[in-house]
Amino acid sequence: KAGVTQTPRYLIKTRGQQVTLSCSPISGHRSVSWYQQTPGQGLQFLFEYFSETQRNKGNFPGRFSGRQFSNSRSEMNVSTLELGDSALYLCASSQGQGQAFFGQGTRLTVV
Amino acid sequence: AQSVTQPDIHITVSEGASLELRCNYSYGATPYLFWYVQSPGQGLQLLLKYFSGDTLVQGIKGFEAEFKRSQSSFNLRKPSVHWSDAAEYFCAVGAGNRDDKIIFGKGTRLHILP
Repeated sequence: KAGVTQTPRYLIKTRGQQVTLSCSPISGHRSVSWYQQTPGQGLQFLFEYFSETQRNKGNFPGRFSGRQFSNSRSEMNVSTLELGDSALYLCASSQGQGQAFFGQGTRLTVV
Repeated sequence: AQSVTQPDIHITVSEGASLELRCNYSYGATPYLFWYVQSPGQGLQLLLKYFSGDTLVQGIKGFEAEFKRSQSSFNLRKPSVHWSDAAEYFCAVGAGNRDDKIIFGKGTRLHILP
């Protein structure tokens, strides 16, 4: 089986812009979660989608949003980018049994 | 509130020496516990997990971890480290099949001396 695929791998954006990140889960996995990783805050949970519905949400501002499509692929959107949004964004997929498989991440740099 | 504490930010061991990485958790129900490893610039790879049953779990790459409910701990061990084990290690707790939200510790960076 192919693993979790995140695109793009690297991204540079300017403050105030918006960005969309994509995640294709492992075939058959219906749950997709997103995490933000920064040196200061570590790995923080953003949100989780299961069967196109947001099932869980972390403590991030409304500028961070996501969605899941019927084929389980997920997108994460960040609007009005700030310098502090620079991070590695990781996507994880799961069959819903609590074991997550992670992609390699998208490195977002905001300048 | 759910939380995971990894008290050691950095650990340095010599190649061939034994290793123990500490992890303590706070969780209201029976937790699902994980150890992940991350190499520079890479995603997270699952080393092992504990859901129930035998409290000593074996993982990949020769790692094992022991769940101690009385101490709220889930320490990771390896009898003899290899230079390729240098990476960052994350302990994590989840709700299991109730949802897939995982709470991570801050990580322990492992350095290996030749």
